[in-house]
Amino acid sequence: DIQMTQSPSTLSASVGDRVTITCRASQSISSWLAWYQQKPGKAPKFLIYQASDLESGVPSRFSGSGSGTEFSLTISSLQPDDFATYYCQQYNSFPWTFGQGTKVEIK
Amino acid sequence: QVQLQESGPGLVKPSETLSLTCTVSGGSITSSYWSWIRQPPGKGLEWIGSMFDSGSTFYNPSLTSRVAIFVDTSKNQVSLRVSSVTAADTAVYYCARRGVTSWFFDNWGQGTLVTVSS
Repeated sequence: DIQMTQSPSTLSASVGDRVTITCRASQSISSWLAWYQQKPGKAPKFLIYQASDLESGVPSRFSGSGSGTEFSLTISSLQPDDFATYYCQQYNSFPWTFGQGTKVEIK
Repeated sequence: QVQLQESGPGLVKPSETLSLTCTVSGGSITSSYWSWIRQPPGKGLEWIGSMFDSGSTFYNPSLTSRVAIFVDTSKNQVSLRVSSVTAADTAVYYCARRGVTSWFFDNWGQGTLVTVSS
């Protein structure tokens, strides 16, 4: 299985901050990576696919980059609605696997 | 707008079979591929399995001997069964739709908590 490792596990930030979450794959996954946002008690919300393509309706302050084994999710100016846990997911090879999550909390 | 809704017992006894149903509304279940994903309390996401192409299925190797996914097109439902459950199967179970272009998940149900306990 491909292991997905996110860092940091928790990130404390303020409204307006630029934040970056990193996701590393245990082997190359090309650009077959997605990002999700999850709030407490809610289902994950799909944000980004193919490492950098924004899902329709997702605010442009979200962006993704990377390829191979190193990926990142950046929020250019953190908004109150963005405090949540973020997960990456590889879909390069079966079984599909997720990172352990990064919680973005209020500083 | 396609919506997914999971349903099923919230409590299952150890060694028994967990059975959940996901009802798809606002679209045909034959128009996409469907997956189940679970999340133990306070933990991360685990892909369970997926169904595609007229009934073909593939499962997480860690669960494949205990899992079955099947579709009832007449009811627009996709179902999950997990046999011989233990406390480790306690989780929120989500059904999810495959993205248009590949195996990311672009639409999720709200999830249903299943607790395994005697």
